[in-house]
Formats: sequence, C-alpha cells, structure tokens
Amino acid sequence: GQQLNQSPQSMFIQEGEDVSMNCTSSSIFNTWLWYKQDPGEGPVLLIALYKAGELTSNGRLTAQFGITRKDSFLNISASIPSDVGIYFCAGQKYNQGGKLIFGQGTELSVKP
Amino acid sequence: DAGITQSPRYKITETGRQVTLMCHQTWSHSYMFWYRQDLGHGLRLIYYSAAADITDKGEVPDGYVVSRSKTENFPLTLESATRSQTSVYFCASSENTDTQYFGPGTRLTVL
Repeated sequence: GQQLNQSPQSMFIQEGEDVSMNCTSSSIFNTWLWYKQDPGEGPVLLIALYKAGELTSNGRLTAQFGITRKDSFLNISASIPSDVGIYFCAGQKYNQGGKLIFGQGTELSVKP
Repeated sequence: DAGITQSPRYKITETGRQVTLMCHQTWSHSYMFWYRQDLGHGLRLIYYSAAADITDKGEVPDGYVVSRSKTENFPLTLESATRSQTSVYFCASSENTDTQYFGPGTRLTVL
C-alpha cells in the first residue's frame, strides 16, 4: 500500500537545538496532519493543515503544507527533553472517507 | 472518563485462538478506525467504519473481522490468530474526516 516517505528516520539532538523533519509523496494530498507518539501511548494530533502553502504553529512547533501539495514539513524550535518521541506525518486525499496514510515516523531523542 | 479507550492493554494468546480487541469512544464520533503498528511500517489501516453498521477494509484486512452495532463500540476480532499478527493495535475515532483521536493501544503477542 502507499506510504508517505518521512525523513529522517531518527534524530539525536542536544536540548535547545531546532529540529526539522519532512514528509513527501508522489501524489497530491488534501490534508496534512502531524502526530506525536510518546512511548506506550497512542499518537496525539499536533497540527492539522488544510491549504497548500499554509503555515501553522502550535507553541514551539510549526508545520507547513507544501505548495505542490505533495509534501509537508514540521519544525520544532528550542527542543526540550519532553519533545522525545516518534513524530508521524499523515495525509488524506479528497473523498477518501476519512482514511489517512501515515509516514513511517521520525524518532526524536533529545539529550539534556 | 470521556475519550477513547481500548481493552485489554496487553494480551498474550496462542496461534489459532480467537481474540477480540475492544474499542470504546464517548464522543459519539461517526468514524472509527483500527490500525496496527509494526517497526518499519508505521501505522497501517486494518478496517474502518463511517457509521454504525457501515464498515470497510483498509490496507491490511486479511485475518481480521470487525463489527459496529453501536456508534460507540468498534471491536476487532482475530478469528484464528497467527504469529504475524503480533503487533500493537490502535483504535481511533473522528467526527470529521481528518482529525483522528487515538486510543492508548493494545499490545498483542501471538505465541
């Protein structure tokens, strides 16, 4: 089945550093979502994007809906230890009955 | 408590046994979903439901059965469990067709 290509697969950074990750696809999506999963928990929605070019922030997190509608980006500024977890992008195509397609995830580790 | 819950949280079973994973949501969301999460594959959709008595296959439906007689419940049954079904299973619900809210997951081991 189709999956989104999410990169990088893992990141090891120092507390205070900024983080960037992205998600790409060969096809167009109508909606892009970013989720975070803490160990032993289900994914939690961070940001939802609905329009090409849209830039949306949630605290230290900023996400963008790519202008081609085939990609999306997530940035985390001034990382802190509680940012540790797995970040997933998810895309939805028009008229897909609510089905999302997920990327493989980016595992973030933050060293204090 | 309001939200979406899954039970059991952990389950160990043997090959060939029938297993049912439960999912319950208190928001009266129309849509409900079952995913499995495996290393290297992210989240893959097993089945989903747009409303009570309406279900449809996702990406990896083989070996699974679902039902949705009530809006708030969406059980997932493994009719004859196999080792390849060892995974973490997540249920999710949504009112609209994009923002999905996930349960805490069920970790299933098939011996």
